[in-house]
Amino acid sequence: DTGVSQDPRHKITKRGQNVTFRCDPISEHNRLYWYRQTLGQGPEFLTYFQNEAQLEKSRLLSDRFSAERPKGSFSTLEIQRTEQGDSAMYLCASSLDRAQFFGPGTRLTVL
Amino acid sequence: GESVGLHLPTLSVQEGDNSIINCAYSNSASDYFIWYKQESGKGPQFIIDIRSNMDKRQGQRVTVLLNKTVKHLSLQIAATQPGDSAVYFCAEPQNYGGSQGNLIFGKGTKLSVKP
Repeated sequence: DTGVSQDPRHKITKRGQNVTFRCDPISEHNRLYWYRQTLGQGPEFLTYFQNEAQLEKSRLLSDRFSAERPKGSFSTLEIQRTEQGDSAMYLCASSLDRAQFFGPGTRLTVL
Repeated sequence: GESVGLHLPTLSVQEGDNSIINCAYSNSASDYFIWYKQESGKGPQFIIDIRSNMDKRQGQRVTVLLNKTVKHLSLQIAATQPGDSAVYFCAEPQNYGGSQGNLIFGKGTKLSVKP
């Protein structure tokens, strides 16, 4: 499968714990995006990389969130000191031009 | 301001009928739109896109129509099948003029196909 992959697919954690998600984009895509989606809503933008440079962050990305794309390939999204409000689907997308292609998402549940 | 929204939250159609899902946008400078299909528990799946220099674009069983005069686009699905049951989103880039910005999504329309 040459699409966007995400790991893990599901994560259950206790409030206050740190979690890290991984995204592997489509191999030739230089742009990588993170979104968050809550039930019944469309995805909301979190942050965006072009190669290894993080070019944009939304106001949703509090200081507990950090994202990296160290070699311009895969990316990680870390959430520190998780809160129940962080429970959501975290989606990764990649693009070469304007069309963005999404991965299957990581479902986070914070207890 | 920038917004992408959908007229109807739910749509129920009979298998074999055509489906039409609508979307309105507010910014006349919007120049690119994408339709996604999202099945339960999965990520959004790219269906089709259209640039503002086009009024219509066709794919396999799908057609997107863009009316820039009234800032409206629609997704038409021909001969709807049970596998088409999903939530459909229209989306547009937040930044315009060819930049590769993040997408803004509407709330989505849930399509249910009755056998």
